[in-house]
Amino acid sequence: KQEVTQIPAALSVPEGENLVLNCSFTDSAIYNLQWFRQDPGKGLTSLLLIQSSQREQTSGRLNASLDKSSGRSTLYIAASQPGDSATYLCAVWEDKIIFGKGTRLHILP
Amino acid sequence: SAVISQKPSRDICQRGTSLTIQCQVDSQVTMMFWYRQQPGQSLTLIATANQGSEATYESGFVIDKFPISRPNLTFSTLTVSNMSPEDSSIYLCSVVRTSDSEQFFGPGTRLTVL
Repeated sequence: KQEVTQIPAALSVPEGENLVLNCSFTDSAIYNLQWFRQDPGKGLTSLLLIQSSQREQTSGRLNASLDKSSGRSTLYIAASQPGDSATYLCAVWEDKIIFGKGTRLHILP
Repeated sequence: SAVISQKPSRDICQRGTSLTIQCQVDSQVTMMFWYRQQPGQSLTLIATANQGSEATYESGFVIDKFPISRPNLTFSTLTVSNMSPEDSSIYLCSVVRTSDSEQFFGPGTRLTVL
């Protein structure tokens, strides 16, 4: 049974720092992996989608990597800003889509 | 990206009543899902809404409690029946884009059951 784990559960960093969020999964036979952002009380916003054949994807200050063999993905956020404060979730698609519990990120002004 | 709207955005309901949530997509999509997000928790898949046939429910969710309709490729409804306070959650619909399997979410419906 696929399990998705996100560490840490919460993170506070000063504005301007670069940071890395982690996502691990137990079964490497995934179709794709997607990172989302969720603001309090809101729906999810898609950030980056990595297909199983890809190693990384980039969008602006965000870079997501995928290592299927080790069951890991990272989301790198460069030059963090207070507006980056949100919960970040990763989801893997195997026979169905499984979400991690998320990392609550707080950027300190 | 797909634009998804949900109605209502929030509601407060009495125990024992039912609420129907609507999900409208701006383009035809094959795959549509309903999720529940309980306070402070991650997302749990309720069911896959199948166009023209019965929804496929995940373990722990049944059709009598969460009936789903999908009359066409742009619209679906989820009903939360005979509600109890434990049903208080955010309910989200999502779609998967066929070209690359990217998933998109609606804004959610925040339900409070008294």
